[in-house]
Amino acid sequence: AQKVTQAQTEISVVEKEDVTLDCVYETRDTTYYLFWYKQPPSGELVFLIRRNSFDEQNEISGRYSWNFQKSTSSFNFTITASQVVDSAVYFCALSEAYQGAQKLVFGQGTRLTINP
Amino acid sequence: DTGVSQDPRHKITKRGQNVTFRCDPISEHNRLYWYRQTLGQGPEFLTYFQNEAQLEKSRLLSDRFSAERPKGSFSTLEIQRTEQGDSAMYLCASSSPTGELFFGEGSRLTVL
Repeated sequence: AQKVTQAQTEISVVEKEDVTLDCVYETRDTTYYLFWYKQPPSGELVFLIRRNSFDEQNEISGRYSWNFQKSTSSFNFTITASQVVDSAVYFCALSEAYQGAQKLVFGQGTRLTINP
Repeated sequence: DTGVSQDPRHKITKRGQNVTFRCDPISEHNRLYWYRQTLGQGPEFLTYFQNEAQLEKSRLLSDRFSAERPKGSFSTLEIQRTEQGDSAMYLCASSSPTGELFFGEGSRLTVL
């Protein structure tokens, strides 16, 4: 069975600090996708990134970066120079590589609070 | 705004009543999903439509739950004889065949 673990329930940092959100996953599939979503107080899940299991290149998008390590089954997310607007709940998710449904398995989420 | 829209945003009902939620996906998306999110947890997959066909249902979807997507456009999720355990946020998402899931803001259900 697929499982995603986000061990950090809550993180609180001061603005401009760097912060890393951890994500560890379990799957028996050799081909799969990993995702990060942001959920602000409005409730809407906002897509941040999708990686497939064959692409272990780290990705950077502005202040956001992702570190995918298959050897440790981890897909960590770093925010550099955090801002108050980054405050939200962040979810890591996993899905099998299947042409049908994108049945995402989500972690429990990490509530990130950026204090001014 | 051409995102996924859900209605109502909030619903308070008494135990035993029926409730219905509506989801309007992004117009060119042929895939539509329902997820459920309880407090402090990540969303859980409930069911999936490709056009008007309901192709998968989670074991979480008991026989009190029914989802439809007539004509492959909007979808409804009905919960009959609601129970307090049904209290949750019901999230709808849509996608193109190879695209990402775009989620709506959800419909929050409170069963008293």
